[in-house]
Amino acid sequence: VLTQSPGTLSLSPGERATLSCRASQTISSSYFAWYQQKPGQAPRLLIYGASSRATGIPDRFSGSGSGTDFTLTISRLEPEDFAVYYCQQYVTSPPMVTFGPGTKVDIK
Amino acid sequence: EVQLVESGGGLVQPGRSLRLSCAASGFTFGTYPINWLRQAPGKGLEWVGFIRRKASGGTTEYAASVKGRFTISRDDSESIAYLQMNSLKSEDTAVYYCARYFCSGGACAYDHWGQGTLVTVSS
Repeated sequence: VLTQSPGTLSLSPGERATLSCRASQTISSSYFAWYQQKPGQAPRLLIYGASSRATGIPDRFSGSGSGTDFTLTISRLEPEDFAVYYCQQYVTSPPMVTFGPGTKVDIK
Repeated sequence: EVQLVESGGGLVQPGRSLRLSCAASGFTFGTYPINWLRQAPGKGLEWVGFIRRKASGGTTEYAASVKGRFTISRDDSESIAYLQMNSLKSEDTAVYYCARYFCSGGACAYDHWGQGTLVTVSS
């Protein structure tokens, strides 16, 4: 089970956003990722392997963490960053994929 | 350019069946696992299942909520993946996405998603 906090984060453009994702048991960083989703759109991969930025993702997005605690940081919010963010894990035995419930980042 | 395009969604009565398709282009389809995921209206993301590439046996895995009712298959010659959904329930109502599972340096994630197709199960 993945738990994300906070559920909603109200910030202004230019501020720093720190999103948390906690796993109920130790997971492999190799199979941990963050996604961004805007209304009416498919999710977009931001971070994979807990800390690697996906192709085309600006360097204001960074991921960190290991074991059970992972963090997505947006250093300075741009207007296009207001969206819902999901963490995701894959476990191999038995094979299963789970997502966190999401953190909504909205404009304060 | 990598593209995934889902089709086949629509309104279906409870207990009936529906088959979704995921047409891929822009990459060597047969070398990637393909996943199906869904998102109920106003809710979060839920994994449905995946099919491994043929080189890894082409086998499938499913979420407990759909196991025994849904079947994923693939036609690598046509670069299409399918999601056969039987015995549909109202709780299967969702936007269904297919996604490519990508690995680099041992780290893996869904790097490309389709636009989604809406399935509504209602009488």
